[in-house]
Formats: sequence, structure tokens, C-alpha cells
Amino acid sequence: DAGITQSPRHKVTETGTPVTLRCHQTENHRYMYWYRQDPGHGLRLIHYSYGVKDTDKGEVSDGYSVSRSKTEDFLLTLESATSSQTSVYFCAIDRGNTIYFGEGSWLTVV
Amino acid sequence: QKEVEQDPGPLSVPEGAIVSLNCTYSNSAFQYFMWYRQYSRKGPELLMYTYSSGNKEDGRFTAQVDKSSKYISLFIRDSQPSDSATYLCAMSANTGNQFYFGTGTSLTVIP
Repeated sequence: DAGITQSPRHKVTETGTPVTLRCHQTENHRYMYWYRQDPGHGLRLIHYSYGVKDTDKGEVSDGYSVSRSKTEDFLLTLESATSSQTSVYFCAIDRGNTIYFGEGSWLTVV
Repeated sequence: QKEVEQDPGPLSVPEGAIVSLNCTYSNSAFQYFMWYRQYSRKGPELLMYTYSSGNKEDGRFTAQVDKSSKYISLFIRDSQPSDSATYLCAMSANTGNQFYFGTGTSLTVIP
């Protein structure tokens, strides 16, 4: 158990609606990450955070925003969901030289 | 060129075989090397972690790092059907920074 909880685990939403995925950690780690994983592309970094209110963009940040108002929570928001954002999203934490993942959030945009 | 290259497979072996999974990388600054196992519809699970060059063994699993060749390997001895999963390599240059992943190798162990 990596001490990471993602919610919701599964969601179906309509094109154009906003969606927020939540990542909660119980271990007080500074660095948190959001990845998406797609066939043929592997894991791609969307955004990451290195502290409360400190975030930065990753490789595929367009269409996504994040917020971190508390150390334990890192939120990923799709401002206006598109079908290309149908994917599985993984939150991760850096425990010091290694990265640990949550169980994933499966998002389908119809 | 990608930072990390990994053959996607799929790889299919009989139960009991020795499996070799490999990744190559281009950034000589990488110092921390990880292997993850990912079962279908689950998150990646850390399997092995090594620092710098050398070997590390944990039960049936051995991780090798050859920094001179920029090549890392994961060996699985006496493979079991429960080892059937996708294996991802990952690496980073320093603490609390960026991690770079291979795209994963799909492994099936046939009973």
C-alpha cells in the first residue's frame, strides 16, 4: 500500500464537461505527480507539484490544470473534457529516489 | 530520440523459463533505476530499485545496471504464470525530480 488514494476510480462524462480527479496521500511527501497512460505512449507526465501551491507543467499539460492547497491533496482538473482525454490517470508520490503510484482513475469521455 | 527505450514485446515464455527484460537510455546523468510490474487494470507496483551500477537480487528477480553501456536489465528466474504482467523500467537523475519511463514490455508466462 503506497498510501495513495485516487477518486473517483471510474468515471464516464460527456464532452465539454469539467472533471476533477483527486489524489490523497497519507505520508506528507513533497512531490506529487499526475500521469496518464495510453497504449503505445506509456506513462506521460501531465503536471507535478513540489509543495503547497507549487506546481509545474509536464509533457502533456494542455487541457489540464492542477491545484494543491494542502500537502496531502493534489487535484487534476479537465476544464472541458474531450474524447482525447479518455485514459487512465495515475497519481504518484516521490518517496525519495523512487516513485509510487496510486491504483488509477479510469476516465471515459463520450 | 526518447530518453528511455524499451522493447514492447509481447514476450511469451513457458513456466520455469528465465526471462530477460531490458531498457536502454541516453542520459548519462541517470543514477536511480527502477523496475515496475503492472497487472491489467492496476497501478504500476515497484519491483526493484538500484542506485548506480551493479546488480541487485530479490528472490527470483535480479536487476542489473551497466552505466557504461546505458543499459539495464531485469531477470526473472523460474518464471511463474503469476509473473504475467507488463514490466516498466524507470530512471531519474536525482531526488524529487523527473522520472523517465519505458513504454513497458508485456510478458505472458504459459503454464
